[in-house]
Amino acid sequence: QKEVEQNSGPLSVPEGAIASLNCTYSDRVSQSFFWYRQYSGKSPELIMSIYSNGDKEDGRFTAQLNKASQYVSLLIRDSQPSDSATYLCAVTRNSGNTPLVFGKGTRLSVIA
Amino acid sequence: EAQVTQNPRYLITVTGKKLTVTCSQNMNHEYMSWYRQDPGLGLRQIYYSMNVEATDKGDVPEGYKVSRKEKRNFPLILESPSPNQTSLYFCASSPRAPSGANVLTFGAGSRLTVL
Repeated sequence: QKEVEQNSGPLSVPEGAIASLNCTYSDRVSQSFFWYRQYSGKSPELIMSIYSNGDKEDGRFTAQLNKASQYVSLLIRDSQPSDSATYLCAVTRNSGNTPLVFGKGTRLSVIA
Repeated sequence: EAQVTQNPRYLITVTGKKLTVTCSQNMNHEYMSWYRQDPGLGLRQIYYSMNVEATDKGDVPEGYKVSRKEKRNFPLILESPSPNQTSLYFCASSPRAPSGANVLTFGAGSRLTVL
């Protein structure tokens, strides 16, 4: 069973701080990695995707991937109360009908 | 507007009364999938479809049926709902199987309560 592990949280950070969200995965041949944000009672929405080792930046968000350590992270700079949500890590192999496997999510709370 | 539309958004039903949750996408996506989301268990895949007339089981298919007769529609059928199927359900689609640029787009969700 391929697994994606996340700390469930809640992770509490003060407004303006950097929030660091972590994810590990068990399937060594995983190729694509996604971060979704989900507000309570709403559907997940994609905020970042990453495919190569290293960092990928998009505005206040930075995704980091280390395939050797099977580890992917999301950094949120200058955290805002509107960033308070559950963040889901998702992983897939990129081959045929292999599914997108989701972690259980980390709940982030940004305190004003 | 490109979207995935689910109906109903909220439903309360009783044990054993057959129900169908519809899902339709207007993006000409080949891949569609159903998930359920429960507290502490995250998103779990119920069924998926790679294309018309091609469906397959996900992680938790028991008690559910699906069909894919047309590319745009992927209904989820509960033949005899039970209380353990009380959950938040999401339909999602992507151009092809999720990978790289083939990103999943989710519907708004359907909250189902089975009494």
